[in-house]
Amino acid sequence: EAGVAQSPRYKIIEKRQSVAFWCNPISGHATLYWYQQILGQGPKLLIQFQNNGVVDDSQLPKDRFSAERLKGVDSTLKIQPAKLEDSAVYLCASSLLSDQPQHFGDGTRLSIL
Amino acid sequence: AQSVTQPDIHITVSEGASLELRCNYSYGATPYLFWYVQSPGQGLQLLLKYFSGDTLVQGIKGFEAEFKRSQSSFNLRKPSVHWSDAAEYFCAVGNSGGYNKLIFGAGTRLAVHP
Repeated sequence: EAGVAQSPRYKIIEKRQSVAFWCNPISGHATLYWYQQILGQGPKLLIQFQNNGVVDDSQLPKDRFSAERLKGVDSTLKIQPAKLEDSAVYLCASSLLSDQPQHFGDGTRLSIL
Repeated sequence: AQSVTQPDIHITVSEGASLELRCNYSYGATPYLFWYVQSPGQGLQLLLKYFSGDTLVQGIKGFEAEFKRSQSSFNLRKPSVHWSDAAEYFCAVGNSGGYNKLIFGAGTRLAVHP
């Protein structure tokens, strides 16, 4: 089966600009996660979707980050405006259901200048 | 609050040598524990998990881990390391039980000398 697809793989922007990341989960997976992985740290959950509804966004900086999962399939994560501390790898993961193993994409590496 | 500590940031071993990566957790109830591996430029792959039962769990690629409740530890081991095992290893705890709401440690980067 095809894995979790993410694009772009790399993105370089200047601070205060906006950026968007896209994730296509494994077909049929109801649960989708976005993680932020800062260099030297483990991944941190930003938001979890169940189908097209948000289950947990307690760690999402809502003043600048937004995410949506229209139609319960693909998802986009947006940052506007970006700050230097947003430099990180953004990982998307999906699972068949929330109590099933998560499958990770290869991530998008974001660099803020 | 739940947390995971991986005391070793970087470990270097020789190919063929044994390996042990340390993981300590803080969790109020029975923990759901995981080890993931991340190769450069790639996402995370699940190596093994502990939910309950036998405290020694076997995973993929010849890895195993032992859950020790008295020490709040879940150390990862491999008897003989291969050069392809060079990667970053993350220990995680399921914050609400199961695979959900994972809390990751900071990771241990493994280098393998030929």
